[in-house]
Amino acid sequence: AQSVTQLGSHVSVSEGALVLLRCNYSSSVPPYLFWYVQYPNQGLQLLLKYTSAATLVKGINGFEAEFKKSETSFHLTKPSAHMSDAAEYFCAVSGRGANNLFFGTGTRLTVIP
Amino acid sequence: SQTIHQWPATLVQPVGSPLSLECTVEGTSNPNLYWYRQAAGRGLQLLFYSVGIGQISSEVPQNLSASRPQDRQFILSSKKLLLSDSGFYLCAWRKEYSGANVLTFGAGSRLTVL
Repeated sequence: AQSVTQLGSHVSVSEGALVLLRCNYSSSVPPYLFWYVQYPNQGLQLLLKYTSAATLVKGINGFEAEFKKSETSFHLTKPSAHMSDAAEYFCAVSGRGANNLFFGTGTRLTVIP
Repeated sequence: SQTIHQWPATLVQPVGSPLSLECTVEGTSNPNLYWYRQAAGRGLQLLFYSVGIGQISSEVPQNLSASRPQDRQFILSSKKLLLSDSGFYLCAWRKEYSGANVLTFGAGSRLTVL
């Protein structure tokens, strides 16, 4: 079985500050891990994914995430927040070959000018 | 390129009325199709998924049902809506046998049950 826990339902950062959104996973098999972003009243857009190649994964819009097996974590970071980064972010996990993708409860990011 | 369409985008329905949300995918064949529901503060809940025509797997027992009458069409239905069915419904697809299980989402359908 797979699941993810996102710590912090709301995160606020100042424009230009570091963005850190936390995600811990649980999986009985080697996982695939994902971060998605959702803007208001829209569907989800893939930011990045981990598929067992490099542990540091770079995505769109300057985001990156690092897979740490020892900590069962896949935290999302961005060095400098932009106003356009304000959105809801979802971490997700899937087992290899599985049909399902399991999502966390989401973290709403607010960027303060 | 592949595209996914959902409709209607918004829907306001009275309690006890029926529901039909439609989702179609273009530009691919034999996709895996999914319905998720997003309720405020609860993240995304997988409702149904389908790996082929007529093949539906239900993840959560509820007042809803799903059907896949054609390869690239996925329909979410209810005979009698409940207040608790309100939410944002998202359809998604992924390629068959996709090793990385990347889901591509539609724009969503917002349902309000009054």
